[in-house]
Amino acid sequence: DAGVIQSPRHEVTEMGQEVTLRCKPISGHDYLFWYRQTMMRGLELLIYFNNNVPIDDSGMPEDRFSAKMPNASFSTLKIQPSEPRDSAVYFCASTLGGATNEKLFFGSGTQLSVL
Amino acid sequence: GQQLNQSPQSMFIQEGEDVSMNCTSSSIFNTWLWYKQDPGEGPVLLIALYKAGELTSNGRLTAQFGITRKDSFLNISASIPSDVGIYFCAGHRGGTSYGKLTFGQGTILTVHP
Repeated sequence: DAGVIQSPRHEVTEMGQEVTLRCKPISGHDYLFWYRQTMMRGLELLIYFNNNVPIDDSGMPEDRFSAKMPNASFSTLKIQPSEPRDSAVYFCASTLGGATNEKLFFGSGTQLSVL
Repeated sequence: GQQLNQSPQSMFIQEGEDVSMNCTSSSIFNTWLWYKQDPGEGPVLLIALYKAGELTSNGRLTAQFGITRKDSFLNISASIPSDVGIYFCAGHRGGTSYGKLTFGQGTILTVHP
C-alpha cells in the first residue's frame, strides 16, 4: 500500500490567496483526519471524517478554513483567505476504525508558508 | 488544544547509550501510543499500549502504560544514529473518540556517532 498521500509537499503563497491541500487516505480506511503542526502548539486536530462525513470540526480555527471529502479516496483542506499565521505543516491521517481506531497512519505532510 | 506533558524536550546522547522519556497527563487515557517523526515526514506509530501496567517491546524500544493511566514511558536501548528524530506520546480516550489523539510536545533526540 502506498500509504497516505498528500499534495503538494510544499506550498508558498502570499497573504490573501486561497490554498488547497489534498489528501488520499489508505484504501479501505474509513476515518480521515486533518492535523496541523506548529512549534508553538504542536500537533492539533482540525477535523475528522467518518465514511466521508465530517464528524468533528471543533478544531478548525475559523471560518477561513474548510474541509471536504467528496469520496472515500480524496479529501481537501482549503484556507481562504490565507494569513501568515496559517504557516504550519498540515498532516492528513487515516485509520481503519473499529477496534484499532486509535492507530493513525500519517501522510508526509504539506509545509505551508504564507508570506 | 490540550497537550500532554512530555519530557525531556530534547536529548543529546552518544551512540550506544540508552534513552528514557516520559509523558504525563492530568486526566486518564485508555490507550497510550508512541510515534516517531523523521525530518520532513509524518509521525509513524512505534508502539501502542492498551492496559494499565502493560509493558510492550518493539525491538530496542520498550514502552509502559502507567498504572494510574495518566502516564507512559518509552525507553530506547543501545541507541544508533537512525534513532534521531522527534518522539511523540499520544493519548486516546477510547469509546467514541475515534482517532482523536492528544499529543505531547515531543522529545527531540540527537544521537552522536
